[in-house]
Amino acid sequence: DQQVKQNSPSLSVQEGRISILNCDYTNSMFDYFLWYKKYPAEGPTFLISISSIKDKNEDGRFTVFLNKSAKHLSLHIVPSQPGDSAVYFCAARGGSNYKLTFGKGTLLTVNP
Amino acid sequence: NAGVTQTPKFRILKIGQSMTLQCTQDMNHNYMYWYRQDPGMGLKLIYYSVGAGITDKGEVPNGYNVSRSTTEDFPLRLELAAPSQTSVYFCASSLVGTRGQDTQYFGPGTRLTVL
Repeated sequence: DQQVKQNSPSLSVQEGRISILNCDYTNSMFDYFLWYKKYPAEGPTFLISISSIKDKNEDGRFTVFLNKSAKHLSLHIVPSQPGDSAVYFCAARGGSNYKLTFGKGTLLTVNP
Repeated sequence: NAGVTQTPKFRILKIGQSMTLQCTQDMNHNYMYWYRQDPGMGLKLIYYSVGAGITDKGEVPNGYNVSRSTTEDFPLRLELAAPSQTSVYFCASSLVGTRGQDTQYFGPGTRLTVL
C-alpha cells in the first residue's frame, strides 16, 4: 500500500524552462512534506519542505505547492538547469511520528 | 564536520554470510535511521533509534539487527545474508527537539550484493 505516490518515473525538460514534479499521498495524518534530491552514488539531500498549515513554500528557484484537499503536492523548479538533473523523492510524515514515508522518485533530466 | 559517514561503500556477500554496515554521525543528532533502496523503489525504513540505547523497527526489519550504544554510531547487522537483501543501504540522522523534527541528513550509502 503506497502512501506516497510519484506517478511519473521520469521527466525531461529543456534548460531554462519550468520543471514540475508531482506527488500524491493517501494518508490524511501526514502533516509535513519534504523533497529530497539524489545524484547517482550519493545519498539523498534535503531540498525543501512544507507544513500542512501552508500551501506554498519558496526557496530560490524551488517552490513547493500543497493542495491538502486533493492530497497533492508539487515541486516547481524555475528556471531548470542541467545541474538539477537527478532523482527527486517526495517524502511525508505525520504528527509526532518522525518516520518518513518516501515515494519511488522521479528522474529529472534537464537538457542543455 | 563530516556529517553522516558509512562504511563500506561496496560489499559482495555470499548467501549465509554475515556483516555489519557502519554508520557514524558527528552532528550530535539524537535520531538515527537505516533505509534500504531497491532499484526503481523509494527508500524503506529498516530500523530507527531515538537515542542511545533505544531502537525500534521500521517497515522492513526482518533479517536485520541494530544497536545504539553511543549517540554517534548506529551499526546495522545482517546475520544470514540472503539475495533479497541485495540493495543500497542509507543511514540518516536528524535532530528532534521541542520544535519538532529537523531534516534528515543522509550518508552516501553502502551498495550490497548477496550472491
